[in-house]
Amino acid sequence: NAGVMQNPRHLVRRRGQEARLRCSPMKGHSHVYWYRQLPEEGLKFMVYLQKENIIDESGMPKERFSAEFPKEGPSILRIQQVVRGDSAAYFCASSHQEGRSGDEQYFGPGTRLTVT
Amino acid sequence: GQNIDQPTEMTATEGAIVQINCTYQTSGFNGLFWYQQHAGEAPTFLSYNVLDGLEEKGRFSSFLSRSKGYSYLLLKELQMKDSASYLCAVDQTGANNLFFGTGTRLTVIP
Repeated sequence: NAGVMQNPRHLVRRRGQEARLRCSPMKGHSHVYWYRQLPEEGLKFMVYLQKENIIDESGMPKERFSAEFPKEGPSILRIQQVVRGDSAAYFCASSHQEGRSGDEQYFGPGTRLTVT
Repeated sequence: GQNIDQPTEMTATEGAIVQINCTYQTSGFNGLFWYQQHAGEAPTFLSYNVLDGLEEKGRFSSFLSRSKGYSYLLLKELQMKDSASYLCAVDQTGANNLFFGTGTRLTVIP
């Protein structure tokens, strides 16, 4: 009964490179959320997706960041031309239903991105 | 504006009781979550409060007052493994995400 899977757990990129972060939700979950956690800060919402649809991307930076959740395969958070300020822990969460009214979001272990 | 306030750090002794407070001001409110996060790990669910009052779950209890915009997490019989960050998060009406506070880093000492 695997939980939310994220890979890689640690990712090092040089400035200007691309970072691709993967998230496989819990079995039976069709709702995926991405959060970013900067050092000493709380989790900040980035994007909410269902299969093949971006439902809410109000927390995503307008440039360089994109997300997808294809019909088959994991959800991908893609950061193009990374900069040092992108260094953070990126957490994925999934839920069974639209995550309202106590339907808790189960978090993955996170991907720690370091930009050098 | 929207805001969640929690103390940044707390220290307590093994075997003692500690209360971690959270005050919030958000546009719309469905309920409030508490998560535990050990360093370098994923947040794990502790509790979800919708109605006013205290909900007890083993050594952990969570309280909510909607009228005061206030919640607390109560940890009893503290153990060393309870050293972690405790995150308060609001489930907002009409939002698709959880709105998190910055977390309270609890250190349990012998």
